[in-house]
Amino acid sequence: DIVMTQSPDSLAVSLGERATINCKSSQSVLDSSNKKNFLAWYQQKPGQPPKLLIFGASTRESGVPDRFSGSGSGTDFTLTISSLQAEDVAVYYCQQYYTTPYTFGQGTKLEIK
Amino acid sequence: QVHLQQPGPGVVKPSQTLSLTCDISGDSVSSNSAAWNWIRQSPSRGLEWLGRTYYRSKWYYEYAVSVKSRVTINPDTSKNQFSLHLNSVTPEDTAVYYCAGGHWPSAFDIWGQGTMVTVSS
Repeated sequence: DIVMTQSPDSLAVSLGERATINCKSSQSVLDSSNKKNFLAWYQQKPGQPPKLLIFGASTRESGVPDRFSGSGSGTDFTLTISSLQAEDVAVYYCQQYYTTPYTFGQGTKLEIK
Repeated sequence: QVHLQQPGPGVVKPSQTLSLTCDISGDSVSSNSAAWNWIRQSPSRGLEWLGRTYYRSKWYYEYAVSVKSRVTINPDTSKNQFSLHLNSVTPEDTAVYYCAGGHWPSAFDIWGQGTMVTVSS
């Protein structure tokens, strides 16, 4: 199985500041035939299911604010929130969908400083 | 707009079978561009993908090795839903169970609201 490891486990950022979450996969999730990374980011608020933010490592899902961006390729990925808003407080997960079993990171809890 | 509807919370006794359904609206369980998944979440195991079914001229099924001997995911085209059956449950199977759909080339772009299942005698 591909192991997904996120860092840090928790993060406190001031409103309006940048938040950065990292995700590392134990093997590459890049499909060399089409140059696509099968890496997604989700946001989960208490009592709600995860919400897809980013797929293909860097493509924002429809309706997701442009302060959310994803980058990286192969085994190393980053989710960046450019200017933290109060409503961004949540737990964030990365997930690989390159091969089954699909696997998730352990989550990063984002709070306001 | 695609919507997935799951039942409310429930309790299952140890050694019995956990059964859940996921009703699909706004899409088809037989869609050639979608896959239908079950995922669970617990404090001890985090988010855990259990398996999926999808239709590409025929039905396909894939399951996580951790539950493969105990799990079945079935589509029901007449009701436009898919189901999860997990047998021989133990307290370790206590979790919130989510159904989720994935539409190529995206990941899990639509989720049900989740069902809390407690395994207890």
